Amino acid sequence: SQQGEEDPQALSIQEGENATMNCSYKTSINNLQWYRQNSGRGLVHLILIRSNEREKHSGRLRVTLDTSKKSSSLLITASRAADTASYFCATVQGAQKLVFGQGTRLTINP
Amino acid sequence: DGGITQSPKYLFRKEGQNVTLSCEQNLNHDAMYWYRQDPGQGLRLIYYSQIVNDFQKGDIAEGYSVSREKKESFPLTVTSAQKNPTAFYLCASSRWGQGGNQPQHFGDGTRLSIL
Repeated sequence: SQQGEEDPQALSIQEGENATMNCSYKTSINNLQWYRQNSGRGLVHLILIRSNEREKHSGRLRVTLDTSKKSSSLLITASRAADTASYFCATVQGAQKLVFGQGTRLTINP
Repeated sequence: DGGITQSPKYLFRKEGQNVTLSCEQNLNHDAMYWYRQDPGQGLRLIYYSQIVNDFQKGDIAEGYSVSREKKESFPLTVTSAQKNPTAFYLCASSRWGQGGNQPQHFGDGTRLSIL
C-alpha cells in the first residue's frame, strides 16, 4: 500500500524560483525520507527527518515535518535546471520496509 | 567507489521465459531490496532481505523469486508466472537499522520489456 502521497503530482517553475512539494501519510512514523530520481535512473537519498524533529536543512533543501497533521514538505530554494527530477517521500512500515508515494515531477524552466 | 551495480540495463523476455536480474553491492550493507516502478508511478516492494540466507516477501511478490547466498548479491528472477513484467526494476541496499532509520542506496535499474 502507498502511504506517502505527494502533492502536486507535477510542478513547473522558472529557474531561480523556489519549489515546494508536500507529502501526506496515514499512520504514525519513526521517520520520513525524501528521495530524488532523475529520468531513467535510480533514486538518490536527500534527507531523513525523525518524528521528533520539525525542520531540517541540507544545502538548498529544507524539509519540515508536522506529525499532528501527518504531513511533510520539501522546499528547494533558488532552483536550478539540474533540479529537474521526480521527488518521492517515503515512510516506514514494519521494521525496515519503506513505502514510497507516487512522487512529484518537478520541471525547472531556464 | 562503493555502490550498487544492476545488470543488464535493458532486458527482453519472451513468453514463458524466466529471466534473472543481477544486483551487486560493495557497500557492506546487510539489507537489500527489490522494487518495481511502473511509468509515472512510485516504487512497490517486491522482496527484501535483512541478512544472508533470509528474505521476506514485499507487497507484490507473486511471479518473482529471489536468493541471498552472499551478502553482496541479491538476484531477482522474473518467472513466467508474472503476466505483466514490463517495468523498471530497482535494487537498493542499506545498513540494518531499527525503525527504518537508514537511507537506502539505489542502483540505476533494469528496464524489462516483453518481446
